[in-house]
Amino acid sequence: GESVGLHLPTLSVQEGDNSIINCAYSNSASDYFIWYKQESGKGPQFIIDIRSNMDKRQGQRVTVLLNKTVKHLSLQIAATQPGDSAVYFCAERNTNAGKSTFGDGTTLTVKP
Amino acid sequence: GAVVSQHPSWVICKSGTSVKIECRSLDFQATTMFWYRQFPKQSLMLMATSNEGSKATYEQGVEKDKFLINHASLTLSTLTVTSAHPEDSSFYICSARLGMRDYGYTFGSGTRLTVV
Repeated sequence: GESVGLHLPTLSVQEGDNSIINCAYSNSASDYFIWYKQESGKGPQFIIDIRSNMDKRQGQRVTVLLNKTVKHLSLQIAATQPGDSAVYFCAERNTNAGKSTFGDGTTLTVKP
Repeated sequence: GAVVSQHPSWVICKSGTSVKIECRSLDFQATTMFWYRQFPKQSLMLMATSNEGSKATYEQGVEKDKFLINHASLTLSTLTVTSAHPEDSSFYICSARLGMRDYGYTFGSGTRLTVV
C-alpha cells in the first residue's frame, strides 16, 4: 500500500543554520507533493509544493527537492528562525486516484 | 489568500451527546472539503471527502453513521460526531481544495474535541 515516511522524527538546529527535513514515499504513481508546517494546537499550513515533472522548486527561504528515482523528497529551510519551530509533514498525492497520504511528521526545534 | 474558518476551536462534551464542527470557506467556493483526525504527535488521518451537493466518501474504517458530514453549500461543510465517546476525543481538521484543480489546499485551524 501507499506509505509516506520521514527519516527522522526530530531535528534540532541552531538559529541561523539551514535545516533539511527528509521524506520518503513509496507510491511511484504519486504526482504531486506538498510540505506542510503545523504549529502546536493549530491546523497545518501549506509551505510549498512540487509536481512530479519537476525536481526542484524554490520559495521564500524554502526549497523542495524531489528525487523520483529513489522516491525521496526534502525540504530545505535557509537561515532557520525560532518561528520555524513546528512539526513538518510531507504529503504525496496520486491525483488519478484522488488520494493523499501524509507522513508522520518531523518536529523541528530551533535553538537561539 | 484563501481562508477556511473552522469552529469551534475547542469543545468539551459529555459522553453520548453529539457535537457539530463547521468549516466555512471565506473568500472562495470549496467544491471539495476533506475532514481529518489527528491524535497527539501523529500525522493527519483522512476521514472523509465531501463534495458539495453529494454524499461524502468515507475512508475505510470510518463509521459513516457516527461521523456525519454535510456539504450543503459551496462555502460550508459540517462534521457531526454523534453519540460521542471518550475515544472520539481528538483534533479534527478540515481542508478545502482551492478551485477545481487538484492542486492547492488550505486547512482550517482545527477543533480540539474532548469527550468526558
